[in-house]
Amino acid sequence: DVVMTQSPLSLPVTLGQPASISCRSSQSLVHSDGNTYLNWFHQRPGQSPRRLIYKVSDRDSGVPDRFSGSGSGTDFTLKISRVEAEDVGVYYCMQGTHWPLTFGGGTKVEIK
Amino acid sequence: QVQLQESGPGLVKPSETLSLTCAVSGGSISSSNWWSWIRQPPGRGLEWIAEIDHSGYTKYNPSLKSRVTISVDKSNNQFSLKLSSVTAADTAVYYCARTLSGGRFFDYWGQGTLVTVSS
Repeated sequence: DVVMTQSPLSLPVTLGQPASISCRSSQSLVHSDGNTYLNWFHQRPGQSPRRLIYKVSDRDSGVPDRFSGSGSGTDFTLKISRVEAEDVGVYYCMQGTHWPLTFGGGTKVEIK
Repeated sequence: QVQLQESGPGLVKPSETLSLTCAVSGGSISSSNWWSWIRQPPGRGLEWIAEIDHSGYTKYNPSLKSRVTISVDKSNNQFSLKLSSVTAADTAVYYCARTLSGGRFFDYWGQGTLVTVSS
């Protein structure tokens, strides 16, 4: 299985400041079709995960543009340009290139 | 707007079979999508269990494959999960989710249902 490793585990942030989460995969996520199926999800306490980013950098409809995804191969990053209070929760990366589908362990974002 | 709703018993005894259903509304289960089950033990991360398309083609997580069956019921626009020989380690919130064609994974999720395995 492809292991997805996120860092940090916990990320205290100041409102209005940027935040960055890293996700590394144990194998390249470049699919034979040329796409890279790396996704980011946000889960607030007591809620279902919500997808923010798919295929590394495509932002979902309704997702604020302060969220951006980047990376390639085995190294990916989710950035929040200016953290707002509603951004707290756990962020997960997930790969859809190799079977079985696997998620990172999560990064908990909290306000300082 | 697609909506997914999980249903099933909240308590299952050890060694028995967990059975859940995901009802899909606002869209047809027969469209070119994939339908998945994902679970999350309390306080822990996410684990993909299995997925199925409208024709019944399935993919399973090898870690659970020997105990899992996923099926689709097109007439009722729903799909189901069965997990046999459950133990306390199977206690989790179980989610159903949709994947769009083109590898756009899990764009819609159900609200999740907590299943506790206990005697």
